[in-house]
Parts: sequence; structure tokens; C-alpha cells
Amino acid sequence: QVQLQESGPGLVKPSETLSLTCSVSGGSISSGGNYWSWIRQHPGKGLEWIGHIYYSGSASYNPSLRSRVTISVDTSKNQFSLELTSVTAADTAVYFCARWGGGYSSKWYDYWGQGSLVIVSS
Amino acid sequence: DIEVTQSPSSLSASVGDRVTITCRASQSIGTYLNWYQQKPGKAPKLLIYSASSLQSGVPSKFSGSGSGTDFTLAISSLQPEDFATYYCQQSYVIPYTFGQGTKLEIK
Repeated sequence: QVQLQESGPGLVKPSETLSLTCSVSGGSISSGGNYWSWIRQHPGKGLEWIGHIYYSGSASYNPSLRSRVTISVDTSKNQFSLELTSVTAADTAVYFCARWGGGYSSKWYDYWGQGSLVIVSS
Repeated sequence: DIEVTQSPSSLSASVGDRVTITCRASQSIGTYLNWYQQKPGKAPKLLIYSASSLQSGVPSKFSGSGSGTDFTLAISSLQPEDFATYYCQQSYVIPYTFGQGTKLEIK
């Protein structure tokens, strides 16, 4: 059973960089066919796709965040990470990591972390 | 971006009822549509993928249908554990977008 676990600071100051790591267990991040994703949920709101990465390092980002987001992968640690720069209060949200898995052309989020609340405040 | 619109935004129903939630995409997405259930303080849980395929371990009381731009999630014989928020999500093109959610409440 694949499990994902987010870790990182729960409080970040405005203008600084938000950094989160997702540790994957029960399966290899290098197994192929899956993309490793970050999704966020503003308090009381819906879900927003941030981006995802393949084990090879190829990443895609939401255009609305692209200028501030970097997703990286460390296959030796079976982890992937999110960096979001120049944060503001609007970046306060629960951040989920998830596996984008499924078929060759059609995919879905089949495994999720429990979520990590990040508050942006001085 | 493909806009995904759910209706209704909230729904009140009784235990034992059958309900339907609809999702409309701003352009045709074939069957690239997934449904998730989210309970307070928890991560979303996959229910239906590719519009109509039931995720392993999910009860058959959940069913999905549709293609193109119009999709439906049906839940039969509501039980207390089914009261939650439901989201649809298009997987046709990046950025993958979610509906705004439908909160299913007990009447």
C-alpha cells in the first residue's frame, strides 16, 4: 500500500519561500507510469493543482503559479519536494501531495498524503 | 484553462435517499473526469475515474456517467458516512482543474 507523508514548516513569513517534502513509502517513486503531484486547498475552499513531476525530473506547473514554483524529486530518498517563493497570505492553505497514477493516457489521484497546513504570516 | 462547474453547490438529503451531482466542463473532455469524496480534515478519496469506473474498494452505491461536457455522480441508499463534500476533476489537459465542490448534508 503506497503511503505519502508531507513534512515542512507550518508557518512561513511573507515574501519568504515555502518548502515542503513528500516522503513516499510502500512503493518506489521511480517505478514509472506515475506523476508525483502537489495540490493545495485554501481554507474552506476547493482544490487547486500546483504541479507534478516524473521520477526523471520532468515537471509541469500550473501557469498561475509557474513563476514561483519548483518541484523536485530525490529518487534516492523516495521523496519529492515543493518550493513556492515570495509567498503572501494568499498562499495560506493545506498542501497535499498525491500520486497521479492510472492508465497510460487517463490518470487520477489514487494516493494522497494527509495534508500539511501552511500559514503565511509575520 | 478548462472550467469545471458542479451543481448543486450544496445538497440536503436523508439517510436512504438517492442523490445525483452534476459536473459540466467548459469544453469536451471525453471521459477524462474523476470524482473524489472529502471529509473534514481529511484528504480527498478517489471514488470514480474515467467518468464511470469504480475505484477498487469503493462501494457500488457510487456510480458515474457521462462524456464530453456533462457528467453525473450518483449515490444510492445514503448512509451517515456518505455525508461529505464531493469534487469532480478533469484530467484531460494541464492545468488539471477541479469543480468547486458539492457539500452533501443530512436533512
